[in-house]
Order: sequence, then structure tokens, then C-alpha cells
Amino acid sequence: QKEVEQNSGPLSVPEGAIASLNCTYSDRGSQSFFWYRQYSGKSPELIMSIYSNGDKEDGRFTAQLNKASQYVSLLIRDSQPSDSATYLCAVNTNFNKFYFGSGTKLNVKP
Amino acid sequence: DVKVTQSSRYLVKRTGEKVFLECVQDMDHENMFWYRQDPGLGLRLIYFSYDVKMKEKGDIPEGYSVSREKKERFSLILESASTNQTSMYLCASSPGAGLKTQYFGPGTRLLVL
Repeated sequence: QKEVEQNSGPLSVPEGAIASLNCTYSDRGSQSFFWYRQYSGKSPELIMSIYSNGDKEDGRFTAQLNKASQYVSLLIRDSQPSDSATYLCAVNTNFNKFYFGSGTKLNVKP
Repeated sequence: DVKVTQSSRYLVKRTGEKVFLECVQDMDHENMFWYRQDPGLGLRLIYFSYDVKMKEKGDIPEGYSVSREKKERFSLILESASTNQTSMYLCASSPGAGLKTQYFGPGTRLLVL
């Protein structure tokens, strides 16, 4: 079993819709959770971090964490074509090791 | 702003060559990481370092070594490049305490012929 699992997609949503990206992790001791956006040919760029159960909002982005279910999600409201990218979920388990999911490709159609 | 730079964006090497990939960060971060990224496999950790001259193996260290002589610089060495090491190599850094956010460099796309 992988440490971090994501649906590879592609997830297609129309412009203006809500995109919902999901991630599960296996280590119950995980403490920090991150969402990165990666455009084709570019390096990952941090968009959200979350450390405690519940929701965290930043502009059009909302990260949701449920430690009991070992589940973290990212909602993108009012999706734009410029949001089309691969979204990586990352989990910090212990000491300074990070585990990344394989990413979900998001296509936002104009 | 955190800045992580990598010495090359694209590199072409021949099988058997020794390859050096350099990474420099300017935020005085304690931790530095080397990953490779391949389609369908995601990001895989090769090595990381939490202090000068300290290193820890990641998930796929075979065929690689690292060097961290100065805090800001972390080098990845391919002792004898092979075609299966053709990949995108990403360097990252993070602070030693508090928030553990990782910041990535632009990546080096390595082709081994």
C-alpha cells in the first residue's frame, strides 16, 4: 500500500464549477498535509497547507482534513482554465520525511 | 521569498559518465531533499539532509550519492549514469523547525543516452 493515494484523473470540470480533489494516507502519525500544484514541465508549487482537523480557506481554495478517516481534500471554487494542472498531495510523517501522491490531473474546460 | 536554484535545467549525458547535480537555497534552511519524478510514479525521495555533512537515504538511493559541505548547497551525484536514471530531478528545502513546508527548485531534466 502506498503512503499517499490519489486518483490520477483526469478530472474534468467546466469553468466556474467547483473542483474536488481527494487524497488518503496510511500513516496515522502524520502531522502535516500539503497541496501542491504542478504545471506541465514545471516544479511543484505550494498552494495550501493544513495541520489540524477541519477546513482551511485561502481565496478560492479550501483544504479539508479528517484525521480519523485519514483523508485530506482540496476544493477549488470558481475553477478557471489556468487551474488546469496536476495537483499533488503531500504528507509529512516523521522527522522530516515527506510522502507525495502521484497527483491528480485537473482539466478546466472553458 | 524562498529561492531554490538548480545548476541546470536540461542535461544530456552518456551511459557510464559521472554526473553532478547542484542545488542551492538562500533561506538558511536546515533540510534539503533530492527527488526524482517519473510519469505514473510521482515524486520519489532519493536522499535528504537535515544538517551539514549529514545525510539520510530515501526510498530509492541506489546508484546515487549526495554531498552537503555547506548549509546552502546539496549535491546529487550519479556515480555511473545509466539509461534508467533518465528523469526529472527536483531539489527541495525546508526549515528545520516549525512549519515543514518544502520549497522546490525548477528541476533538472536529465537524459542519459
